[in-house]
This record gives sequence, structure tokens and C-alpha cells, in this order.
Amino acid sequence: GENVEQHPSTLSVQEGDSAVIKCTYSDSASNYFPWYKQELGKRPQLIIDIRSNVGEKKDQRIAVTLNKTAKHFSLHITETQPEDSAVYFCAPGGGFGNEKLTFGTGTRLTIIP
Amino acid sequence: DAGVTQSPTHLIKTRGQHVTLRCSPISGHKSVSWYQQVLGQGPQFIFQYYEKEERGRGNFPDRFSARQFPNYSSELNVNALLLGDSALYLCASSLALAGGPGHEQYFGPGTRLTVT
Repeated sequence: GENVEQHPSTLSVQEGDSAVIKCTYSDSASNYFPWYKQELGKRPQLIIDIRSNVGEKKDQRIAVTLNKTAKHFSLHITETQPEDSAVYFCAPGGGFGNEKLTFGTGTRLTIIP
Repeated sequence: DAGVTQSPTHLIKTRGQHVTLRCSPISGHKSVSWYQQVLGQGPQFIFQYYEKEERGRGNFPDRFSARQFPNYSSELNVNALLLGDSALYLCASSLALAGGPGHEQYFGPGTRLTVT
């Protein structure tokens, strides 16, 4: 099965600075790479995703970059704000015959005002 | 526009009992997936249904079963509950299956199950 690792497990950054979270995966058949944000006591919320035929995607302060050869993808958050504090999960999946998302262990991001 | 809804919100059961959790997908979505999230961990895939057929199953015992109805709502059933089944059970809906357009999964608020 898919083995997914996230680094770092915790991350603290000053408000306004950038944050980067990396996700490595093992299944070369994966072709869909989403990131979810989960605030305490709430549901996971899809914040950005990328498909395997694209190297980078940006949505305002959030971007995702994919290196399919090396089997890793990263979440980039610029100009961080206190409301960015949450747990972030990568969840690669969607390969042929692999309908599920496999979630990473999560990264707890804390924005220091 | 209503999102994914789940019921009940919270549930307390005793070991050995069974439980049924319910999920209504976003209108127009035909695929429903179930995940188990233990405190401090990421969600783990249990089942995916599309057009009322099981399309994926995670590494969970046969005590876990699910089904999808003609209106695309879904039920997750767990028999012979164990203490370790205590978790947040999340339902996610998508327009289509992974790999195709509209495969993005949107989560419901979850059902918090406590087994005592």
C-alpha cells in the first residue's frame, strides 16, 4: 500500500513569514495530490490540489509543487496569518485502480503573532 | 448550497454493540467515501462507494460494512464494537471517482463515536 510521510510534524513561523510542508509518497501510480487543512474540532478542508501532469499550482497565498520523479510534493504558504494555524494533511491518491486517498500523519502549523 | 451532512454528531456505545452512521453527500455527488480518524492521526480510508457499488476498501476488519442508497446517501455499519473503534468517522463526497474530473473529496463534519 501507499506509504505517506510528512515533514516537519510541527512548524512554528512568525506571522508574515512563509511556511513549507513536504510530503513524500511511495505509490508511483498516484496521480492526484491534495492538501487538507483541519482546524481543531472541525472537518478536513480541501485547500489546494494538483494533478500529476502539472508541476506547480498557485492560489493566492497558497501553492503546491510536485516532483513526480522523486515522489514528493510540497505545500507553500506565504505571508502567513494567525488563521493559518491548523493541522495540514497531504493525501495522495487517485492512481488507476487506487480510488482512495492516503493521508499523511499531519503537520501542526502554528503562526506566532 | 448544502455541504456533506452526517448523523448523528456524537454517539456513545458499549463494547459489543453495533452502530450505524449516516451520510448525505453534496447534491449531485455520486461518490461517498468513509474515513476513520483517531485522535492525533490523519484520516484512514475505510470504504468508497460510487453509483451504489463498492469501489474501494481499506484495511479494516469485516465488522465494518457500508452501503450506498439510490439517492447516493450512505450508511456505515460497525458490529461488535471494540474500545479501539472510538474515533471520528468522516464521510466525504465527490462528483466522480478518483482519477477523473470532479474527483475532489469534500468532507462532512464527522460523527464522534465513543465506545466504553
